[in-house]
Amino acid sequence: DAGVIQSPRHEVTEMGQEVTLRCKPISGHDYLFWYRQTMMRGLELLIYFNNNVPIDDSGMPEDRFSAKMPNASFSTLKIQPSEPRDSAVYFCASLPALGLNNEQFFGPGTRLTVL
Amino acid sequence: DQQVKQNSPSLSVQEGRISILNCDYTNSMFDYFLWYKKYPAEGPTFLISISSIKDKNEDGRFTVFLNKSAKHLSLHIVPSQPGDSAVYFCAASARETSGSRLTFGEGTQLTVNP
Repeated sequence: DAGVIQSPRHEVTEMGQEVTLRCKPISGHDYLFWYRQTMMRGLELLIYFNNNVPIDDSGMPEDRFSAKMPNASFSTLKIQPSEPRDSAVYFCASLPALGLNNEQFFGPGTRLTVL
Repeated sequence: DQQVKQNSPSLSVQEGRISILNCDYTNSMFDYFLWYKKYPAEGPTFLISISSIKDKNEDGRFTVFLNKSAKHLSLHIVPSQPGDSAVYFCAASARETSGSRLTFGEGTQLTVNP
């Protein structure tokens, strides 16, 4: 199993540009999560999906952020327009059907730098 | 509103000694707790977990202790090894009310010196 796949691994862009981050969850997993990691706030949940349907997007910072999951094997997180304060590492994670534990499997992350 | 807090940003210990990482939470609905380990340029990986019906869970060199009355949990690593040097995240979930959602702490950077 390849695990959770994220692309790109690094993204450098200029303020005002659109940024799209991509994620392929582990096959068969029902849940997909998008997180942002910063030094000050640690790992923050942005949004999560269950069976491709957004369940909780209360962590999305503002309207500049949007996420989609058009099918079970692909999700995108888009920032438009990007700002320097969006610079962070963005992680995608997936989870099998909810069971006794909530062990989420994380991808390697995308390091975003907005100049 | 930081419901899960790791008050120590960093911890340094000698190889062979015990490492103790601490985590406090405020939400009494949390009923499942996890520790994740993260190496640079990699995603977090699951390490160990504990249900609120237990006060201790052990897996090899790693033991997690839960004190529900104090809303406190800790991860003990003994003996510590240089390969344990990583960022450790504490996470909590309220499975009945929030399902699969995890709330993470800020992380603690552990450095194990040879």
